[in-house]
Amino acid sequence: EVQLVESGGGLVQPGGSLRLSCAASGFTFSTYVMNWVRQAPGKGLEWVSYIDTSSTTIYYSDSVKGRFTVSRDNAKNSLFLQMNTLRDEDTAVYYCARDFGRQAPYWYFDLWGRGTLVTVSS
Amino acid sequence: EIVLTQSPGTLSLSPGERATLSCRASQSVSSTYFAWYQHKPGQAPRLLIYGVSSRATGIPDRFSGSGSGTDFTLTVNRMEPEDFAVYYCQQYGSPPLTFGGGTKVEIK
Repeated sequence: EVQLVESGGGLVQPGGSLRLSCAASGFTFSTYVMNWVRQAPGKGLEWVSYIDTSSTTIYYSDSVKGRFTVSRDNAKNSLFLQMNTLRDEDTAVYYCARDFGRQAPYWYFDLWGRGTLVTVSS
Repeated sequence: EIVLTQSPGTLSLSPGERATLSCRASQSVSSTYFAWYQHKPGQAPRLLIYGVSSRATGIPDRFSGSGSGTDFTLTVNRMEPEDFAVYYCQQYGSPPLTFGGGTKVEIK
């Protein structure tokens, strides 16, 4: 089955760290560029980060730049998001999302996971 | 960044009725770089429409997208029970890509 499954969410104090994982299956993960998208409670979707197939080109939203680090392990079909210096406003469900295009981004997403909840609170 | 405003916030319809969802951009969206997603609670979001009007794989033809510039529309002809969900628009013509706040389509 073609799917993405996120894990690693939980409750963390402000200033703390968390590492999210996304396990891909059913497709050739190494040929797709990937993204992280989040949704804060009661809010819309917000793009967070992009990584190309070789981890050469990486982008972040201004709201997480300098605090979050995206990475991938193509041998293990996995995508990661290391989140440091977490803030209350980072509380959200985090989704990994596959870009429609292979190798190069199309910037719309044809496969999403169900998400993992990150709660930043003291 | 381009801000997308969706309306209405909530749409109450009966099965069989037509749904018309709007998305207005704060500035003109480049070319046809516009998409729509469906999201049900606890599920993964699903791509419905890309390139303004192209249906994604497996999407029924009762879903259609239209628009240009700053005004875009998602139409669902004859709502089916499984179509009641939250719908999000997205522009990807100008970085950073942005999403709208969503329209919830609920059963009347």
